[in-house]
Amino acid sequence: KAGVTQTPRYLIKTRGQQVTLSCSPISGHRSVSWYQQTPGQGLQFLFEYFSETQRNKGNFPGRFSGRQFSNSRSEMNVSTLELGDSALYLCASSFFGSDYEQYFGPGTRLTVT
Amino acid sequence: GIQVEQSPPDLILQEGANSTLRCNFSDSVNNLQWFHQNPWGQLINLFYIPSGTKQNGRLSATTVATERYSLLYISSSQTTDSGVYFCAASLGGSSNTGKLIFGQGTTLQVKP
Repeated sequence: KAGVTQTPRYLIKTRGQQVTLSCSPISGHRSVSWYQQTPGQGLQFLFEYFSETQRNKGNFPGRFSGRQFSNSRSEMNVSTLELGDSALYLCASSFFGSDYEQYFGPGTRLTVT
Repeated sequence: GIQVEQSPPDLILQEGANSTLRCNFSDSVNNLQWFHQNPWGQLINLFYIPSGTKQNGRLSATTVATERYSLLYISSSQTTDSGVYFCAASLGGSSNTGKLIFGQGTTLQVKP
């Protein structure tokens, strides 16, 4: 069974631009969660989607948004990029949510200059 | 919200030594996972262990849910065990769905 995939793997953007990251979950998994990892803040939860609906959201500004499609693939978007948005963005899939084991993709490393 | 604390923050071992990593959590959890982050950043699942004991080769884990801690044991460590180990926990309920809270990690260096 294929694992969680994320595209692109690396991205360099300029302040003020926007970016869209993609995540394809493990086949049969319906929940997708997104996390941001930075050296200063560690791994922090962004949001979770299930059946095309956002079920939970972390403490991030509205510039961070996401969506999920009918095939469970998910995208997250960051608008008006700031230098502090430079991070490793990880998505995780699980069958139904965090009570179930979450499996992580390889991540997208975003650099904002 | 739930607090997850890992100790020690750093650990240096000689190849062949054993080690124990600890994870304390502040509330009852529905999910407790251990991960190893590889040099490229991917989190590799080690154990899904909200309670009880599991073993996988040289690695084993125990979670004592009533006392709110989990332990990861690495025996006969190898240089390839080097990296950062995270534990992550989740509370139940609709307001916590999909949300793992991570500890700050233990950085393990195994020297040849």
